[in-house]
Amino acid sequence: GAGVSQTPSNKVTEKGKYVELRCDPISGHTALYWYRQSLGQGPEFLIYFQGTGAADDSGLPNDRFFAVRPEGSVSTLKIQRTERGDSAVYLCASSAAPNEKLFFGSGTQLSVL
Amino acid sequence: AQTVTQSQPEMSVQEAETVTLSCTYDTSESDYYLFWYKQPPSRQMILVIRQEAYKQQNATENRFSVNFQKAAKSFSLKISDSQLGDAAMYFCAYRSAKGSNYKLTFGKGTLLTVNP
Repeated sequence: GAGVSQTPSNKVTEKGKYVELRCDPISGHTALYWYRQSLGQGPEFLIYFQGTGAADDSGLPNDRFFAVRPEGSVSTLKIQRTERGDSAVYLCASSAAPNEKLFFGSGTQLSVL
Repeated sequence: AQTVTQSQPEMSVQEAETVTLSCTYDTSESDYYLFWYKQPPSRQMILVIRQEAYKQQNATENRFSVNFQKAAKSFSLKISDSQLGDAAMYFCAYRSAKGSNYKLTFGKGTLLTVNP
C-alpha cells in the first residue's frame, strides 16, 4: 500500500475484554514496530519484528500483551483482559530495513471503559 | 537507560518568524542517532530531521535545522519562516547505534502553535 495502515482507527471496549489491533505495513518492509502513546506522553516502544520473528519484545508491559506477524507482513497486537490503564493510542511503524527511515501509521485509539 | 527531556510543553510563534524547540538527553553511549518528529492531529508521526552523533555538522532540511551540542547532550530544533502547517506536536527521539537495538526513546513532546 501507499502507507502504513492501522485498523480500526478507534476501538472502544469494556474492561476485561479481549482486543486485536491490526497493522498493514508498507509492502516489502521487513521491519515492523509497535509503540504505545498514552495521553500527554511520547510514544513508548512495545515490540519490534524483523520478518516473522519478534526481535525485541522488551517493551511489552506484561503477559496480557502479545503480538504476531505470521507471514512477515501484517501484524496483530493482541491485548487480553483489558484494563482502563491500557487506554492509549497504539502506533505501528515499518521500515525497509532496521536502520532505514521509519514510516508510521495513524494509530488506533483504544478506549477501555 | 537513555532518557529524553523536552522542557517546553507548549510554544507559540508568529507566522514567518523563527522558533526553537529544546531537547536534552541522557546517555552513556558515544554513537547514536537523534530525531525530531512532527505529529499533527492525524496522529501520524512524520520524520522532520535526523542527526548522527558522529557527525559534527548540524543537519538541515529546508526550513528546519538543528543545533547539536554533543558534550552538553542538547539537540534543539529551529524552524525558520514558520508556516501555519507547522502547527503540531513535536517529539525529540533517541536511538542507539549499537548492535540491533533499533527502538526509539521519545520525549514528552512540545505543542507548537503558529499564529497568523
